[in-house]
Amino acid sequence: SQKIEQNSEALNIQEGKTATLTCNYTNYSPAYLQWYRQDPGRGPVFLLLIRENEKEKRKERLKVTFDTTLKQSLFHITASQPADSATYLCALGPKSGNTPLVFGKGTRLSVIA
Amino acid sequence: EADIYQTPRYLVIGTGKKITLECSQTMGHDKMYWYQQDPGMELHLIHYSYGVNSTEKGDLSSESTVSRIRTEHFPLTLESARPSHTSQYLCASRTGGGGNEQFFGPGTRLTVL
Repeated sequence: SQKIEQNSEALNIQEGKTATLTCNYTNYSPAYLQWYRQDPGRGPVFLLLIRENEKEKRKERLKVTFDTTLKQSLFHITASQPADSATYLCALGPKSGNTPLVFGKGTRLSVIA
Repeated sequence: EADIYQTPRYLVIGTGKKITLECSQTMGHDKMYWYQQDPGMELHLIHYSYGVNSTEKGDLSSESTVSRIRTEHFPLTLESARPSHTSQYLCASRTGGGGNEQFFGPGTRLTVL
């Protein structure tokens, strides 16, 4: 069965450093991959999309890479701030239009001032 | 802010009661989803719909049912609530086509005594 893993449950980094979160998957060929941010008690919020034919996408301090050979996506937050503390979820997008997204368990990021 | 609404936001009920969690979106999205999520834990897909009169069960076995009579409305019903149903329920929607972001509602926090 398909499996999606995010590198660790929790990641603590110092303010100003770059946070790197990993999303690995098996038994799946996604057409795209998305990253979401979730704050406690709230629903996830979409951040970035990267398609299977793209290597890298950027948005302000965020950068996502996608390696379909390694079956891995990396999510970077540069110049991290305490306000970036949240849980980050990756989601695999299907080639078939009606199949739901497959969400990872998430990585809880804490940025320490 | 996403135009997807859930009511009630919080609900405390006794065992055996029938409840309906409401979800509405004003974005005209064809695809809608229900997820169950315990605090600090992963999202579990329990039901989804890719259009009016279509409903599918998700990955998590659930004793709930859904209906999709109108595009904008996707209610979730528990015929007989149990303490094991205590959780947060998140509704989401997205429009068809690859890569489109998924919008989540604010969630309903359900407690069954």
